[in-house]
Amino acid sequence: DVKVTQSSRYLVKRTGEKVFLECVQDMDHENMFWYRQDPGLGLRLIYFSYDVKMKEKGDIPEGYSVSREKKERFSLILESASTNQTSMYLCAGKDTQYFGPGTRLTVL
Amino acid sequence: GQNIDQPTEMTATEGAIVQINCTYQTSGFNGLFWYQQHAGEAPTFLSYNVLDGLEEKGRFSSFLSRSKGYSYLLLKELQMKDSASYLCAVRDGDYKLSFGAGTTVTVRA
Repeated sequence: DVKVTQSSRYLVKRTGEKVFLECVQDMDHENMFWYRQDPGLGLRLIYFSYDVKMKEKGDIPEGYSVSREKKERFSLILESASTNQTSMYLCAGKDTQYFGPGTRLTVL
Repeated sequence: GQNIDQPTEMTATEGAIVQINCTYQTSGFNGLFWYQQHAGEAPTFLSYNVLDGLEEKGRFSSFLSRSKGYSYLLLKELQMKDSASYLCAVRDGDYKLSFGAGTTVTVRA
């Protein structure tokens, strides 16, 4: 009954590295979202996509980019990782009804 | 942006009822969501309200008043497994959800 999967549960990277977080959905739905979650701040929207090759900035897009080449896959890219990007990253599909398990990223 | 407020923490006894309030301010309201999130896990969708009134789903109910910018999630017959964070989120427009910081509910025996 898996609907949204993410490539890694835990990831440790160094400052300046390029980081790819992958998300795959099996619901054949147009909308996919990337959030980050930090204690006391709740979930904040980074980017979302409403169709293949279409993307919109969320509330905190700085330092991130995304790619949606296929309907089922939505990738989040950290061009040059920084310590303040240490966080839990959550992908969601189908109007945010379903979340992936999350990727806990630590940037050293 | 949105302004979504919910209490930080609540404690209740097993078998009791707890009501988690959520107030919001938005320019283009298009639905309110509630999620449950256990520690270390992803949020799980609980309910969706877009019209005023009460939506009941088993032990959980959610209420919405659009004119007051107010919603609550009611958890009845509390069980230990209901100990979790509960997230209120408001959709503005077609796609974007804004989340509150979450309410941590602790159920005591």
